[in-house]
Amino acid sequence: DVKVTQSSRYLVKRTGEKVFLECVQDMDHENMFWYRQDPGLGLRLIYFSYDVKMKEKGDIPEGYSVSREKKERFSLILESASTNQTSMYLCASSSFTGSSPDTQYFGPGTRLTVL
Amino acid sequence: AQTVTQSQPEMSVQEAETVTLSCTYDTSESNYYLFWYKQPPSRQMILVIRQEAYKQQNATENRFSVNFQKAAKSFSLKISDSQLGDTAMYFCAFYYNQGGKLIFGQGTELSVKP
Repeated sequence: DVKVTQSSRYLVKRTGEKVFLECVQDMDHENMFWYRQDPGLGLRLIYFSYDVKMKEKGDIPEGYSVSREKKERFSLILESASTNQTSMYLCASSSFTGSSPDTQYFGPGTRLTVL
Repeated sequence: AQTVTQSQPEMSVQEAETVTLSCTYDTSESNYYLFWYKQPPSRQMILVIRQEAYKQQNATENRFSVNFQKAAKSFSLKISDSQLGDTAMYFCAFYYNQGGKLIFGQGTELSVKP
């Protein structure tokens, strides 16, 4: 079974803090994704990566950065957390299949609260 | 721009009955893929079913089936013989190759009642 794990289920931080969210997958997937999930808005893509050290902006990258130094690990960084970044953050991974999309496998999510 | 709309924020169904979740999308692409994902309470999101736009036959996975109407840009999910374990948030999603990413709808929260 594919396993995608996230470092924390719940996290509480203060405004202005630097926040790291870690995601690890164990299926040698090339693609990794970070989403945020908000009620009434569904999932919105923050950043994604097709390979080590590669990253692409998603739909809402402002205020976030990412790092992918190893194939299995994809980190989301909030350089200076703000209250409007309070949300559920989901990580996902998938393999590269050429022209058609492979299934995305999701982690359990991190519920981040910024006070 | 591609958009996905789920117009039913919440739905409920009695156990053993059938329920249909609606999804519409907007695109000018001709080759794309559609998905339904399920997110149970406090559990990980999983894929329920997928449909390739070039296939006319509706996809089916056990009790889950879709009604894909390409001209109407509609992709509804039918759950037959609903079970308590079907209680979850359901997301419709769209993918096209040039975009390289999934675009999700707002989600429908389904409650199956005993």
